[in-house]
Parts: sequence; structure tokens; C-alpha cells
Amino acid sequence: DIVMTQSPDSLAVSLGERATINCKSSQSVLYRSNNKNYLAWYQQKPGQPPKMIIYWASTRESGVPDRFSGSGSGTDFTLTISSLQAEDVAVYYCQQYYSTPPGTFGQGTKVEIK
Amino acid sequence: EVQLVQSGAEVKKPGESLKISCKGSGYNFTNFWLGWVRQMPGKGLECMGIIYPGDSDTRYSPSFQGQVTISADESISTAYLQWSSLRASDTAMYYCARLRLTTVTRAAFDIWGQGTMITVSS
Repeated sequence: DIVMTQSPDSLAVSLGERATINCKSSQSVLYRSNNKNYLAWYQQKPGQPPKMIIYWASTRESGVPDRFSGSGSGTDFTLTISSLQAEDVAVYYCQQYYSTPPGTFGQGTKVEIK
Repeated sequence: EVQLVQSGAEVKKPGESLKISCKGSGYNFTNFWLGWVRQMPGKGLECMGIIYPGDSDTRYSPSFQGQVTISADESISTAYLQWSSLRASDTAMYYCARLRLTTVTRAAFDIWGQGTMITVSS
């Protein structure tokens, strides 16, 4: 199994400041034949189901604010919220879908307001 | 509107059986893989398995193989997750979710159901 490890487990950021979450996979999730990283990010607010915000490591889902961005390749990935808003308080998960069935999730990172 | 609507919360006793459902609408249910994801209280997300409603091809995550059964009825655009004998450790929220690309298994989950809370207690 591919193991996904996120850091930190939680972080508190002031409104308008940058939040950065890291995700590391135990093996590469880059598929060489199409040069795509099989990595997604989800946002889960309290009492709600998860919501996909990023796929292919850096493609923003339609309707997701552009303050959210994803980067990285191979085994190391980052989700950045460039200017934290109150509505961004949530738990964020990375997920690899390189192996099937898809796929293993990271343990989650809780983002709060400082 | 593309959506997945799940059946309601359940309270069961250990040893009882259960089948929960997930009905898709607003898209061609037959052509997209659909998965089940477990979230135990206060914990993270675990993919249990996926099914292709078009031919009922099913893939289980190793941790859940033999523990649950995933099925689908394409004629009514509904997928199911069932247990033959529940345990207290099955207490969790269960989500169904659609893979975002038609026919392929290597895709992210783009549409999620609202979740079904299962409580198993004597």
C-alpha cells in the first residue's frame, strides 16, 4: 500500500496569512506515460462530506477560489492557501489515486484561525 | 444537478445485518466508478472499495475484503454497502463518492453523498 503522510497535523494561521500543508507519499504517484501526478486534495468542514478542491496535484476544481493552489511531483506535495479566510477552517486531506482501488488518504491536517 | 443521495442513519446491534444505499442522479450512473469511504468518529478517511455499475466489477481495499459487500443496481442508479454481521467497530460515517472520470479507476472522488451514520451498540 502507498502510505500518505501529512504535516503538520494541525496549524493555526491568522486571517489573510498563508497556510501551507505538506503531503508525502511512500512511493512516487507520478505516472510517467502521461506525466501526471495521481494526487488530490480534499476539504472537509465540520458536519459535511469532503469536497474535492485539487486533482492531478495542481488542477483546481471548478468553483474553488484561486487562493487554493497545489504543487509538487513524485512523492512530495503541497497545498497552499494564499490568504486564509474564515470559511477555510476545515480539515484537509491528500489522497493518492495511483493505486487501485483509489486510494489511500493522508491522516488529515486541521486548519484553524489564530 | 449531479448528486448522490444516501439512505438515512441506522442504529443496530452487534451481529445484525445491514444494507445502506447511495442513489445517483444527474449523470450516467452506469459509466462512472463509485466508491465507499469510511470515517470513524473523529478520524480520517479510508477507501473501502469501488464498483463499476455497468458490469458490477468490484475492487476492495485489502483491509475491507471479506468484511463488507459492495453491489449496485444500474436499473435504479443505486449502489449498496452491506454487512452480514455488524460489530461495534463498524460504528462510523460512511460516504459514497463518484470517481471523476468515466470508466477508469485511477481518478479522484469528485461527487460525494451526504453520508450515512451507522451506530452499532448493544
